[in-house]
Amino acid sequence: DSGVTQTPKHLITATGQRVTLRCSPRSGDLSVYWYQQSLDQGLQFLIQYYNGEERAKGNILERFSAQQFPDLHSELNLSSLELGDSALYFCASSVAPPGLASNLYNEQFFGPGTRLTVL
Amino acid sequence: GEDVEQSLFLSVREGDSSVINCTYTDSSSTYLYWYKQEPGAGLQLLTYIFSNMDMKQDQRLTVLLNKKDKHLSLRIADTQTGDSAIYFCAPPRGRNNAGNMLTFGGGTRLMVKP
Repeated sequence: DSGVTQTPKHLITATGQRVTLRCSPRSGDLSVYWYQQSLDQGLQFLIQYYNGEERAKGNILERFSAQQFPDLHSELNLSSLELGDSALYFCASSVAPPGLASNLYNEQFFGPGTRLTVL
Repeated sequence: GEDVEQSLFLSVREGDSSVINCTYTDSSSTYLYWYKQEPGAGLQLLTYIFSNMDMKQDQRLTVLLNKKDKHLSLRIADTQTGDSAIYFCAPPRGRNNAGNMLTFGGGTRLMVKP
């Protein structure tokens, strides 16, 4: 158990709908990352938050957004869903702050993921 | 990921050694990581190597780093069926990026046959 929790575990919805995925980081971790894992795209970084602020963006679509709340949990909102959005969405957390980037040892702890199926 | 390359699949017999290779383009990372994803689970850190090292050994795991060729490898000795999983190499993004997210390779699916 990594200490990172994600809900729901599975989500099935229809095209055009909107869903919210939730993540609670490990106790004490201020950084939260969202990743998407699909068969054709592999594991891709979407977005990072640190202590409530967005710090880095990856291959995140405009239809997707995220936020991190004062209690440090994070939500990933996916709207106008398309079939191609079906994937595993992982949240990860770490203690290392951004900005110092790759100079710090930064183990990321991953949640079990949310499997999204868009029909 | 486009900056990190791994072979897709590796099949070995139980008891043999497995070698998973990774090449990358961004060489500014101080640490390079190997993550393991078991079926139906999230990723977990398996091991890492500091960029000024050539080799790191951790029980059955050996990590080799060739910075000149930007090549990283993971060797698993005496591979067991429980080692069957997807292995991702992950050098972080460069220091010019404000974040410290990981750039994953496509992952190598290791299948261990009894």
